[in-house]
Order: sequence, then structure tokens, then C-alpha cells
Amino acid sequence: AQKITQTQPGMFVQEKEAVTLDCTYDTSDPSYGLFWYKQPSSGEMIFLIYQGSYDQQNATEGRYSLNFQKARKSANLVISASQLGDSAMYFCAMRAGGSNYKLTFGKGTLLTVNP
Amino acid sequence: NAGVTQTPKFQVLKTGQSMTLQCAQDMNHEYMSWYRQDPGMGLRLIHYSVGAGITDQGEVPNGYNVSRSTTEDFPLRLLSAAPSQTSVYFCASSRRAVLAKNIQYFGAGTRLSVL
Repeated sequence: AQKITQTQPGMFVQEKEAVTLDCTYDTSDPSYGLFWYKQPSSGEMIFLIYQGSYDQQNATEGRYSLNFQKARKSANLVISASQLGDSAMYFCAMRAGGSNYKLTFGKGTLLTVNP
Repeated sequence: NAGVTQTPKFQVLKTGQSMTLQCAQDMNHEYMSWYRQDPGMGLRLIHYSVGAGITDQGEVPNGYNVSRSTTEDFPLRLLSAAPSQTSVYFCASSRRAVLAKNIQYFGAGTRLSVL
């Protein structure tokens, strides 16, 4: 069975500062993928970034980067230069093996960016 | 540019009523899934489909039925609504791809209240 743990129910950051949202995962499958989604107050789920278990380098997408530490089974999301519009719920999720129809989600971290 | 479309956006039911949540995607994706989101629980998989005519149960299937007669549509049926089914429901779709960056695209969600 797969499991995703997000230990930070809420985080606060000042505008223009960087913030790290924690995610640890557990799976026995050597092939897996890790995703981060953003859910603003409007409710939709927005894909941010992906890291494959065999990827050699950490993923980056604009201001988002994923700090992937395979041995520690962690996949932390780093948001650089936070903006007020980054205030939202952030979910870490994992697919194990080839099951691209199924994601296992963490409980989420609510990020608040202060002006 | 529709992506994944869910209807209705909001619904209030009485205990014991039945209804169908609609989901349609126009990206020709093979895989489709239904999740429910409850406060503090993240998203949990209800049912999924890997192609037309093929469905299977996820983590929390009780009280729900699905069918997939076409690639585009994947309706979720509540047979006899219960207050425990009060939740936000998300439909998602993705390509069939193994060991790849295979993003699940989500609909905007249906907020369901069962009284």
C-alpha cells in the first residue's frame, strides 16, 4: 500500500520569501511518480510539478521546484519568491507503478502568504 | 479547451434519494477516475476506469456505481444518498502511459450535501 504524509497542516510565509512544503511517501514499488497539486479557495485542482522515481535531477517548473531525496523518501515542494496568489491548499500525491489512473493523496498543507 | 467537465457544480439531496454526477472529457484519455474530498482527508479514490467498458473499485466504493460506455463519459451514481456522502467530488482523466509524466487532469468538482 502507498502512503503520503504531509506533516504541516498550515504554513505562513511573507510575500517574496521562499517556502518549503514537506512531503514524505512510502511505497514498496521501485517505479513511482510524485505530484504536487494546488487547490485555491475556488476549489479546482491545479497540477504544479512532477518527479519520477528514476529521474536523475530534481524537477523545476518556473517558481516551483521539487527537492527529491529518494533515500529519505521525501519530495518537498519549494516555492521561490512567494506571491499573494500562492495562498492555497497544496497536496502531494503519488502514483505507484503503472497505475496512472490512481493517485494517493496526502492531507494537504494550507499555505498563507502575508503581504 | 474544455478538458474535464463536471455537472452539476452544486447539489443538495435528501437521504435516500438517488442521483448521477456527470463527468465528460474531450482529451481522448483512456483513464478516468472519481475521487471524493472530505475535510482533513485529502482526496480518496472511489472508482476508476482504464477504458470503455472497464471499471473497478478504488479505496471507498461503497454506495457508488459507475459505468463507462464511451471514452468521453464516466458518470458516478449515488444509489441511495446518505449524509456520510456529503463531500466534494472530483472527476479526473489521464492518458494511458507507464513510467511517464502522466498528469491527471481534474474537473472543477461537484459539491454535494445530503440532508
